[in-house]
Amino acid sequence: DTGVSQDPRHKITKRGQNVTFRCDPISEHNRLYWYRQTLGQGPEFLTYFQNEAQLEKSRLLSDRFSAERPKGSFSTLEIQRTEQGDSAMYLCASSPTRQGYNEQFFGPGTRLTVL
Amino acid sequence: GNSVTQMEGPVTLSEEAFLTINCTYTATGYPSLFWYVQYPGEGLQLLLKATKADDKGSNKGFEATYRKETTSFHLEKGSVQVSDSAVYFCALSIGGYQKVTFGTGTKLQVIP
Repeated sequence: DTGVSQDPRHKITKRGQNVTFRCDPISEHNRLYWYRQTLGQGPEFLTYFQNEAQLEKSRLLSDRFSAERPKGSFSTLEIQRTEQGDSAMYLCASSPTRQGYNEQFFGPGTRLTVL
Repeated sequence: GNSVTQMEGPVTLSEEAFLTINCTYTATGYPSLFWYVQYPGEGLQLLLKATKADDKGSNKGFEATYRKETTSFHLEKGSVQVSDSAVYFCALSIGGYQKVTFGTGTKLQVIP
């Protein structure tokens, strides 16, 4: 399967703990996005990478959140000192860079539960 | 800012009924418009798209027309099946990074 993969699929943690999620995009895609989806809502944009450069961050991404894409391939999203309000599905998407619109392909998501 | 408003669900229909899910948008500029679908237990999938005014996107019997004058992109299907049961998200993308702004989703349940 050459789709977008995310790991882990589920994470349960206690409030105050740090968690890290990984996203592996489709191999030839140089654009990578993170979104967050809470129950009953649509996904909300968090951040965007073009290769290894983080080019945009939403104001939803507080100081406790950090994302990296060190070699322009996989990406990690870390949440420090988790809060119950961080409980959500974290989605990763990737797309190529071509002229015109480029479809984003979504991974299955990592569901985070903060107790 | 950019936003998408879609009709609240859940929508419950009998098999072979006609489906309409309303979607309107607000955008600064000229967005591309999409419908995504999320089947139970699966990830988001692009269902159809339209990149300019009056374009019609279509896929799997679903259609939506980009109406700039009414800022709308309503999803329609002439005859739904049980397998169409899912959550449908209207969305837009604008700008160089093409980040997607989603609506809140509409759950569709089709009963035999």
